[in-house]
Amino acid sequence: DAGVIQSPRHEVTEMGQEVTLRCKLISGHNSLFWYRQTMMRGLELLIYFNNNVPIDDSGMPEDRFSAKMPNASFSTLKIQPSEPRDSAVYFCASSLEPAVGTEAFFGQGTRLTVV
Amino acid sequence: AQSVTQLDSQVPVFEEAPVELRCNYSSSVSVYLFWYVQYPNQGLQLLLKYLSGSTLVKGINGFEAEFNKSQTSFHLRKPSVHISDTAEYFCAVSDSNYQLIWGAGTKLIIKP
Repeated sequence: DAGVIQSPRHEVTEMGQEVTLRCKLISGHNSLFWYRQTMMRGLELLIYFNNNVPIDDSGMPEDRFSAKMPNASFSTLKIQPSEPRDSAVYFCASSLEPAVGTEAFFGQGTRLTVV
Repeated sequence: AQSVTQLDSQVPVFEEAPVELRCNYSSSVSVYLFWYVQYPNQGLQLLLKYLSGSTLVKGINGFEAEFNKSQTSFHLRKPSVHISDTAEYFCAVSDSNYQLIWGAGTKLIIKP
């Protein structure tokens, strides 16, 4: 398996534009996490899906952010409209069914810059 | 709720010297602990984990960590670091829902 695949790796967009980040899970994994990483706030969990269902979205900053899992192997994180403070590296991670010791496998991240 | 504290935001160390990265967690009846490493411009990857059994856990790249229940610590150690160990290291604890609670990270800086 190629691991968790994120696209694009880098995105530069203008304030107010819609941004869509994409993530392909490892085959057979059924848990999906979206994280945001910044210098100021570190690693923040945005949303967690299990079996395509959002379980915990308490980390989603505001209504401008939305995440979906249209199928078991793919997820999108959308920001509309984007703002400069959304600039960060966004990671998705997948894992098997949550259990003791379950390891999360991370993608390489999408570096988003909103100008 | 669980919490994880990494006391040092940066640890500079000379190449081939030993290093210890500190991690403390809030106490809980059962705890599962992890160390992840993030190399520059990469995602995080698992270094090692403690679930039960021996309190000394060995991981990849020569790293090890010791679970100390009385001190609620899970410090990461390596006897001799290399320039390739330059990375950010994250301690994490698994909560009752098996989700990971993350520390703020420690940047390991290797001086030649």
